[in-house]
Amino acid sequence: NAGVTQTPKFRILKIGQSMTLQCTQDMNHNYMYWYRQDPGMGLKLIYYSVGAGITDKGEVPNGYNVSRSTTEDFPLRLELAAPSQTSVYFCASSRVQTSSGNTIYFGEGSWLTVV
Amino acid sequence: QKEVEQDPGPLSVPEGAIVSLNCTYSNSAFQYFMWYRQYSRKGPELLMYTYSSGNKEDGRFTAQVDKSSKYISLFIRDSQPSDSATYLCAMTIAIYNQGGKLIFGQGTELSVKP
Repeated sequence: NAGVTQTPKFRILKIGQSMTLQCTQDMNHNYMYWYRQDPGMGLKLIYYSVGAGITDKGEVPNGYNVSRSTTEDFPLRLELAAPSQTSVYFCASSRVQTSSGNTIYFGEGSWLTVV
Repeated sequence: QKEVEQDPGPLSVPEGAIVSLNCTYSNSAFQYFMWYRQYSRKGPELLMYTYSSGNKEDGRFTAQVDKSSKYISLFIRDSQPSDSATYLCAMTIAIYNQGGKLIFGQGTELSVKP
């Protein structure tokens, strides 16, 4: 059972470049999320989706875009990369909203460095 | 002031010790409280979940919530080297269709020495 799969695992970007972090889940979950984790700062929500075709901003959406064309996939797009976007990115999914106590499953993370 | 405060540690204890991990929060609307464990270079995994105030026990782990003090705790009894990880508290309010946005603490790095 693959769960939540993220690619790439590691990436180095130059300032101003763009890239897409891929995320796919095979659990048929409706809810999907993108978080970033900076050292000593916990996880912050970038964007989330409650189903195919529906996305919404989280705490720190600036500089990112998302789309949700299928239940399985939730890619995160970085436009015009900046050093402030150097971070570890986690994709996650849950069957229903997490405030119901439902387990949220995280991917293994994508380490991004912008130089 | 951050919504959720957690001492980042690091915390080092000998094997077999009782570990106490804590978070404080400022938003009295939080109703759902969780503890996640994150091993190095891995994604977080849910360890404990509690709704509102009270205690919850699962094996060697006990989660406590004191809403009057806006304080939550995770206790680990008979700690093992395999418990060495970063522990993140997280909490949320119940807003329908808001994705149940989780607010995370900074995480406490725990090391259990054999």
